[in-house]
Amino acid sequence: LAKTTQPISMDSYEGQEVNITCSHNNIATNDYITWYQQFPSQGPRFIIQGYKTKVTNEVASLFIPADRKSSTLSLPRVSLSDTAVYYCLVGDLNDYKLSFGAGTTVTVRA
Amino acid sequence: NAGVTQTPKFQVLKTGQSMTLQCAQDMNHEYMSWYRQDPGMGLRLIHYSVGAGITDQGEVPNGYNVSRSTTEDFPLRLLSAAPSQTSVYFCASSLSGTGSQGYTFGSGTRLTVV
Repeated sequence: LAKTTQPISMDSYEGQEVNITCSHNNIATNDYITWYQQFPSQGPRFIIQGYKTKVTNEVASLFIPADRKSSTLSLPRVSLSDTAVYYCLVGDLNDYKLSFGAGTTVTVRA
Repeated sequence: NAGVTQTPKFQVLKTGQSMTLQCAQDMNHEYMSWYRQDPGMGLRLIHYSVGAGITDQGEVPNGYNVSRSTTEDFPLRLLSAAPSQTSVYFCASSLSGTGSQGYTFGSGTRLTVV
């Protein structure tokens, strides 16, 4: 599994854009990048997944540069309800030993 | 669709007791797994299964046992509970491994061992 590094915490205010960068220098050719969101007392929830370039859905955007050694999760116009822990995972689609690191705690303030 | 259902939601055990945490999914997912999450930490993989009758160890398997007799169910057994097993346990399922749609998680079981 490619090891990932992401900031421990980030603070933001309502209405701002939040960008969380994840480093994965040892990403393999077959690896995908997946982000999860976890609210207190809940299990993680799949947000977005990508392989290269840019992926966008109704929740977030994922930017992946050509060398794929990092990726950035972008949350547009956050609200208080976006306060959560965000996890970056890298692995093959058939990877069965996926572990979650400590993630990035994003706190959105009014 | 109920998704992934975990029972019980809360449990207090005495040291040395055994119990089974239940996990069921109704999405016909082949892959299921158990994680534990300790305060301020990420999720660590305990055991996983790639299909009925097939299980394997994850990162922290000691003290836990699993079996997978059906596609739907993946129970986690604590053989002799210890205070170090106090944690929140999450069950997850997916179509395959990392999966193109990611994992679906249950709401967790909060276990306290005294």
